[in-house]
Amino acid sequence: QAVVTQEPSLTVSPGGTVTLTCGSSTGAVTSRHYTYWFQQKPGQVPRTLIYYTTNKHSWTPARFSGSLIGGRAALTLSGAQPEDEADYYCLLSYSGPWVSGGGTKLTVL
Amino acid sequence: EVQLVEAGGALVQPGGSLRLSCAVSGLPFSRYWMHWLRQAPGKGLEWVSRISDDGSDATYADSVQGRFTVSRDNAKNTLYLQMNNVRAGDTAFYYCAANIDYWGQGTLVTVSS
Repeated sequence: QAVVTQEPSLTVSPGGTVTLTCGSSTGAVTSRHYTYWFQQKPGQVPRTLIYYTTNKHSWTPARFSGSLIGGRAALTLSGAQPEDEADYYCLLSYSGPWVSGGGTKLTVL
Repeated sequence: EVQLVEAGGALVQPGGSLRLSCAVSGLPFSRYWMHWLRQAPGKGLEWVSRISDDGSDATYADSVQGRFTVSRDNAKNTLYLQMNNVRAGDTAFYYCAANIDYWGQGTLVTVSS
């Protein structure tokens, strides 16, 4: 089973920009991994922000965007708000099984 | 309004069995691939299993392969997860998700003697 890696923690200033990344032990992450990004705040159910690498849901704040950067999936937050402080998880498809990353704890400070 | 409601979580002894269910409303259930994910208390998310829209194709994480079975009843708009030979490491909140877009509130499974 592949291993998916994320930064354990990141800090961003209010109004700042930060990029969270998601890598695969099998090589470059591509569009065929159909990357999902989830946000989870303490005590809450995860919420899907991004699907299929770049697509947003109707509930996804416009300041979040998904992309591929340097062989990794990326979630960029532009104009961080205090309410964006949360854990963020990525999930990759491996043509059958899916594998999640360990999560990134994002602090807005 | 889309609703996914899990049920069946309980305290179970190691080696025991449990069946979780997920009742879905507010979306065309038979057109959605469904997933189970779990999260041990204070830990990260782990993908567990998924099943195709018609139930013909199921896939599992290595950690549960051979012990868990996912199924669905499209006539009842319900997803299931049969958990056999459970271990302490299976202790977690179990979430069902439709296309991994819509999530249920989760149900807690505790494996302990």
